[in-house]
Amino acid sequence: DGGITQSPKYLFRKEGQNVTLSCEQNLNHDAMYWYRQDPGQGLRLIYYSQIVNDFQKGDIAEGYSVSREKKESFPLTVTSAQKNPTAFYLCASSPRDRGGYTFGSGTRLTVV
Amino acid sequence: AQSVTQPDIHITVSEGASLELRCNYSYGATPYLFWYVQSPGQGLQLLLKYFSGDTLVQGIKGFEAEFKRSQSSFNLRKPSVHWSDAAEYFCAVGMKTSYDKVIFGPGTSLSVIP
Repeated sequence: DGGITQSPKYLFRKEGQNVTLSCEQNLNHDAMYWYRQDPGQGLRLIYYSQIVNDFQKGDIAEGYSVSREKKESFPLTVTSAQKNPTAFYLCASSPRDRGGYTFGSGTRLTVV
Repeated sequence: AQSVTQPDIHITVSEGASLELRCNYSYGATPYLFWYVQSPGQGLQLLLKYFSGDTLVQGIKGFEAEFKRSQSSFNLRKPSVHWSDAAEYFCAVGMKTSYDKVIFGPGTSLSVIP
């Protein structure tokens, strides 16, 4: 079945370390997105990509970086510059025809 | 600016009772609208979507939503709630800009009493 796979489900990081969250989709969707979810704040867009080798900043891109070398993959790196990285991270993808987003099951990142 | 509001932060209903979750949006053009559901620790799942045509939209799990342009609303309904419906529900507005931009509401948490 087609879908989006995020890994790992849980991730622990020491302060000062970079960490990369994986997102892979086999839906042949063109666009991919990264959201951050905090309690009481809904979903906030970090980065998005419409095509391979191109991506744009969302509303809260500071302290994050992404790449889009393949259509299927959109990894997110949480850098040491992100001041409060502990959160639930969601990856999503969408087709060209306003089909709505398909979400992965999320990665919970905790800084220890 | 475009926005989505969900006036109810938390709702509690009894199993078997009817449910209505409210959603209001602010957008200058005709929007396309979504409802998503999220179980604890999981991603969001699309319940239903409205693009055009019939303003009453049927979705999965027995949910439906009605688009009312005059009220800028897209309320979600279910005639009889099951315990497994307890989750967080997000309304979202989509628009075609430079990309397929979707704005999510803050969510409504639903609890179901046996």
